[in-house]
Amino acid sequence: EDQVTQSPEALRLQEGESSSLNCSYTVSGLRGLFWYRQDPGKGPEFLFTLYSAGEEKEKERLKATLTKKESFLHITAPKPEDSATYLCAVQRAGGTSYGKLTFGQGTILTVHP
Amino acid sequence: GAVVSQHPSRVICKSGTSVKIECRSLDFQATTMFWYRQFPKQSLMLMATSNEGSKATYEQGVEKDKFLINHASLTLSTLTVTSAHPEDSSFYICSARQGGDQPQHFGDGTRLSIL
Repeated sequence: EDQVTQSPEALRLQEGESSSLNCSYTVSGLRGLFWYRQDPGKGPEFLFTLYSAGEEKEKERLKATLTKKESFLHITAPKPEDSATYLCAVQRAGGTSYGKLTFGQGTILTVHP
Repeated sequence: GAVVSQHPSRVICKSGTSVKIECRSLDFQATTMFWYRQFPKQSLMLMATSNEGSKATYEQGVEKDKFLINHASLTLSTLTVTSAHPEDSSFYICSARQGGDQPQHFGDGTRLSIL
């Protein structure tokens, strides 16, 4: 069974204080690892897809990296508008899963001004 | 690009009522659509996967007669909660995927409250 564990559950930062969120996963053949951002009362917003170990992707203050066992979402000099729940999900390769994702529990990020 | 529209955003109705939720991909054709349920402070729980023109695949423990899914076209899927009861109250979210290695794109969810 595919498993995704995110840590920490919650993270409070001061504006400008860089940090990282962790996503550890177990999947029998990774097709892709996805990062999403979810604001309260809204659906998740797609951020990144990573496909293979060593891959990195960046978008503004966010940078996602991938190893064979985990992914990190690095937040550089965060701003209050970066406050949200960040979700990690994996998609298994092969089978008839039709792109089914297994989500982690999320990390609630709060950035104080 | 990759916009998914979900309606209604909020529904409040009496116990025993059936409720239909629509999910549309506005600027792409979705070969697969997904329906999730999310409880407060919890992650997304997949309910079912649907491909255009075929029957939905339900996850274990999800009642297919309770949660009817129709995926009639490449841009529209509907979820009908039949004879809803208070325990069906939740946040329901749909997503759509173009296919291949494309990510799922999500709607903004429907808050369903059954009185």
